Amino acid sequence: SQQGEEDPQALSIQEGENATMNCSYKTSINNLQWYRQNSGRGLVHLILIRSNEREKHSGRLRVTLDTSKKSSSLLITASRAADTASYFCATDARETSGSRLTFGEGTQLTVNP
Amino acid sequence: DTEVTQTPKHLVMGMTNKKSLKCEQHMGHRAMYWYKQKAKKPPELMFVYSYEKLSINESVPSRFSPECPNSSLLNLHLHALQPEDSALYLCASSQDAEHNYGYTFGSGTRLTVV
Repeated sequence: SQQGEEDPQALSIQEGENATMNCSYKTSINNLQWYRQNSGRGLVHLILIRSNEREKHSGRLRVTLDTSKKSSSLLITASRAADTASYFCATDARETSGSRLTFGEGTQLTVNP
Repeated sequence: DTEVTQTPKHLVMGMTNKKSLKCEQHMGHRAMYWYKQKAKKPPELMFVYSYEKLSINESVPSRFSPECPNSSLLNLHLHALQPEDSALYLCASSQDAEHNYGYTFGSGTRLTVV
């Protein structure tokens, strides 16, 4: 079952602008991860934030995590046309059978040149 | 080698056919996963293998049969599929199922059942 909800479902911006995507989840997590998927291709791991972290940066990416609100946001600064893709948050909820990653519904980002 | 390789990239099969999807990684990862993704939807977990043993089966119909011959290979055997099984099938791996530092995904197999 999917436990993540992302908003917006679709986002269209101009090159150079910032893009913010939000993710909410329902259960306790060990970590939350963001992935990018170009059309019809495999997913690429972008960044991981642990449940005891509040903010993390990687290049033009900034991720925040609020475990009290069970939400996370992904900020892409100075966007480029090449950032056009679907972005998914994924939660790692440790279970007795081991780790499993559950994906949110995703945000389709379009960056216009 | 930091890749997960999936073959074939595209597959069209009839409902009476038997086919197999293959996945290979040489990163020394000990957990491997099969996900199914329908158009405009997120990936849905099907199976998890940890140290070559099946640890999670998400109530997947028996017409999908996973196999992990060794720590580098993961197969998904398909038999008597339905048109609604048409989807992108993604394989992924991670260091192990206990320590999730992020999954490495293959490019997927686009499956069409006719």
